[in-house]
Amino acid sequence: QSVLTQPPSVSAAPGQKVTISCSGSNSNIEHNYVTWYQQLPGTAPKVLIYDNNKRPSGIPDRFSGSKSGTSATLGITGLQTGDEADYYCVTWDSSLSAVIFGGGTKVTVL
Amino acid sequence: QLQLQESGPGLVKPSETLSLTCTVSGASISSSSYYWGWIRQPPGKGPEWIGSIYYLGNTHYIPSLKSRLTISVDTSKNQFSLKLRSATAADTAVYYCATQRDYYGSGIFDYWGQGTLVTVSS
Repeated sequence: QSVLTQPPSVSAAPGQKVTISCSGSNSNIEHNYVTWYQQLPGTAPKVLIYDNNKRPSGIPDRFSGSKSGTSATLGITGLQTGDEADYYCVTWDSSLSAVIFGGGTKVTVL
Repeated sequence: QLQLQESGPGLVKPSETLSLTCTVSGASISSSSYYWGWIRQPPGKGPEWIGSIYYLGNTHYIPSLKSRLTISVDTSKNQFSLKLRSATAADTAVYYCATQRDYYGSGIFDYWGQGTLVTVSS
């Protein structure tokens, strides 16, 4: 069981919006940046959001990130079939002295 | 374009050492911009960061593996390597090498290898 808690799955119809939560604590999310990854089946994870809310070049603005206190959120608007993937939040944990990944959330486009 | 490629045995016997190498192309491993990390992902589970190294040899390991893990760098070959001793079935995973931005505590892994499945089994 991960220190960062994510819902196992979320789903919505094409064109709709989903949000994925990542709940942590004051030893991780509260005092450190959060990165969000997308992992398509059979591929390596890819950075979607870094430093809580910044998008790398090439990532569409349909993807957004935010952080408040000990929680972070990834938002995906205008959902597309190509967004079906696993999504992970990542941050540093000062108690564990480790980079930690959330348990992952599977996004399904209905 | 920076690229990474993992290599090593796909099958390791229990109690033996799991050894992998990551070859970097398109950039110098001596770049001050990156740490060089290893992440693994057990089948059907999420990824787990296991450790990182800077080109000067500074290493940081996940505490749970620290007693069994060694990560090293060979700047002459533009490679870095992982050795995990006393392997068990719990070490079965896809192992990825990746660039880690800025410092060992960063969660930003920009470039990844394709990953290599290592199975620990007799």
